[in-house]
Amino acid sequence: EAGVVQSPRYKIIEKKQPVAFWCNPISGHNTLYWYLQNLGQGPELLIRYENEEAVDDSQLPKDRFSAERLKGVDSTLKIQPAELGDSAVYLCASSLRIVNTGELFFGEGSRLTVL
Amino acid sequence: AQKVTQAQTEISVVEKEDVTLDCVYETRDTTYYLFWYKQPPSGELVFLIRRNSFDEQNEISGRYSWNFQKSTSSFNFTITASQVVDSAVYFCALSEATGNEKLTFGTGTRLTIIP
Repeated sequence: EAGVVQSPRYKIIEKKQPVAFWCNPISGHNTLYWYLQNLGQGPELLIRYENEEAVDDSQLPKDRFSAERLKGVDSTLKIQPAELGDSAVYLCASSLRIVNTGELFFGEGSRLTVL
Repeated sequence: AQKVTQAQTEISVVEKEDVTLDCVYETRDTTYYLFWYKQPPSGELVFLIRRNSFDEQNEISGRYSWNFQKSTSSFNFTITASQVVDSAVYFCALSEATGNEKLTFGTGTRLTIIP
């Protein structure tokens, strides 16, 4: 079974440029998460989707960050414009809520460097 | 507010030694879940265990064991007879018992097993 797939793995951009990250969760997983992981820190939740609905986006900086999960499968996280402080790893995870084991399946992340 | 503290930033041990990773948590909830995740160099976080706050039984899985002590708000993780493949960053995490699977992570402990 394929795991959570993220792309790109690495992205280098100049500040004020836009950037987008894509996530394909495990087939059948209805819950999707975007986490931000700064260097030397644990992941922090940005947004959580139940199917296509964003049920928790309280930590998403909405002035420059946006996310969507059309059709309740793939998801895209966008930053526009990027700032130096956005340099981090953006992790996508998915889970099957009905099972409720608490186990999240993570992708390998997208590492963003803003110059 | 929930908080997870992993005071050990980095630990190095020689292969075959036992090692314990400490985790202390804070929460006002009476029901909650505790987790351990492993993050190898590839980047994806791998689920190791989930514990319910009402279940204080220690758990053993192969070379891994977990000691949950509610009285001291600790959930420590021990690797017995460590192997080089155990080298990774280990995160302790906490979530509410509402089923929303919103995890609060600690800052992680980088474990290096020296051959």
